[in-house]
Amino acid sequence: KQEVTQIPAALSVPEGENLVLNCSFTDSAIYNLQWFRQDPGKGLTSLLLIQSSQREQTSGRLNASLDKSSGRSTLYIAASQPGDSATYLCALGDDYKLSFGAGTTVTVRA
Amino acid sequence: DVKVTQSSRYLVKRTGEKVFLECVQDMDHENMFWYRQDPGLGLRLIYFSYDVKMKEKGDIPEGYSVSREKKERFSLILESASTNQTSMYLCASSLARESNEKLFFGSGTQLSVL
Repeated sequence: KQEVTQIPAALSVPEGENLVLNCSFTDSAIYNLQWFRQDPGKGLTSLLLIQSSQREQTSGRLNASLDKSSGRSTLYIAASQPGDSATYLCALGDDYKLSFGAGTTVTVRA
Repeated sequence: DVKVTQSSRYLVKRTGEKVFLECVQDMDHENMFWYRQDPGLGLRLIYFSYDVKMKEKGDIPEGYSVSREKKERFSLILESASTNQTSMYLCASSLARESNEKLFFGSGTQLSVL
C-alpha cells in the first residue's frame, strides 16, 4: 500500500521568500504525481501533474520535480505572496486512484 | 472549465438516518470518486466508478454505498449514519479510465452526524 508523507505539516514564511514543499512516497511504481491546493473549507484544485516518465513540470511561479528512485517530489513556489496561503497536497496515481498525503499548510506573512 | 457540483455545502443529520450525498459533473468524465477528508488523515478513497453502473471499493468502503445510474451523477449513500462518519466529503472526476488525467474536485460537503 502506498504511503505518502508531507513534512512539515505547517510552514510560515515572509512574503517574497521562495517556498519548498516536500512529498515522499514508498512505492515508485506510479502512473503520475499531482500537486493540489486547498483553501480552507473548500475542495482541491489541481496545480501540476507530472507523468511517471517526466522529471518536472512548471506553471508560472510553480515548479514541481519528481524523483522516483528516491521516492520524492518537491514543489517550489517562487517569490511567495499572501495569496499563496493554503494547504498543499501531493497525490500519487496508481491505476485508477490517487493516494494523498496529509498536506502542508502554508502561511505567507505580508 | 470542468465543473463538479456537490448538492449540499453543509449537512447535519442524526445517528441512524439514511443520508444521500449527490455529485454531478458536466464534462462527460468517465471516472468519478468519493473521498472523505479528516484532520491529520488526509483524503481517503471511499468508492470510485469508471463507468455507468460500475463501482469499485476504495480504501474505506465500510458503512457506505454508491450509485451511478447516469454518467454525470455519482451518489454516496450512508445507509445508517454514525457519528464517526462526521467528515468533509469530496467528490472528484477525471476524464479517462487510466489515472493519468487531472482530477477535478467539487467544493465538498461538511457532514455532521449528531
